[in-house]
Amino acid sequence: KAGVTQTPRYLIKTRGQQVTLSCSPISGHRSVSWYQQTPGQGLQFLFEYFSETQRNKGNFPGRFSGRQFSNSRSEMNVSTLELGDSALYLCASSRDWGGSYNSPLHFGNGTRLTVT
Amino acid sequence: KQEVTQIPAALSVPEGENLVLNCSFTDSAIYNLQWFRQDPGKGLTSLLLIQSSQREQTSGRLNASLDKSSGRSTLYIAASQPGDSATYLCAVDSGGGADGLTFGKGTHLIIQP
Repeated sequence: KAGVTQTPRYLIKTRGQQVTLSCSPISGHRSVSWYQQTPGQGLQFLFEYFSETQRNKGNFPGRFSGRQFSNSRSEMNVSTLELGDSALYLCASSRDWGGSYNSPLHFGNGTRLTVT
Repeated sequence: KQEVTQIPAALSVPEGENLVLNCSFTDSAIYNLQWFRQDPGKGLTSLLLIQSSQREQTSGRLNASLDKSSGRSTLYIAASQPGDSATYLCAVDSGGGADGLTFGKGTHLIIQP
């Protein structure tokens, strides 16, 4: 069974640009969550999508957005990039919506975004 | 606001030793707790998930315990091997999915051959 796939693996962007990251969940998983990982803040929750609907969102500015398609694939968009957006962005999928019992998260290898 | 702390931040032990990693959380009203490992440059691999009603879970050489009332969890690794070297992360779900998982900063583990 294929795992969670994230593309691209690496991105270099300039301040002010926008970027779109892609995530394909494990087959049969309907929930996709996004996390940002930085050395200073660690892992922080961005948002979760379930059945094409954003269920919840973490404490991030409106420049961070996402969507989920009918096949459960998800994209995350960051507009007007800032230097502080440099991070590893991780996508995770699970069978059920986040918080369900016995429904662990399965993570992809992430997209490393560098903003210069 | 839930906060998760992991101690120690780093640990280096010789191969073969048994070891314990600690995780503490401030709000005992959790839905579940999950342990992950992260290898350099990679994503997270789920190791064990403990539901709020459970006390422990085991998988191979790994055993995780949960004491909700005291806000603590431990990950016990038996007979450590160099391949166990990684960063171990503890995460709790305390919002029923409303806030995602809250992660600790991790314990960076090195097993010396």
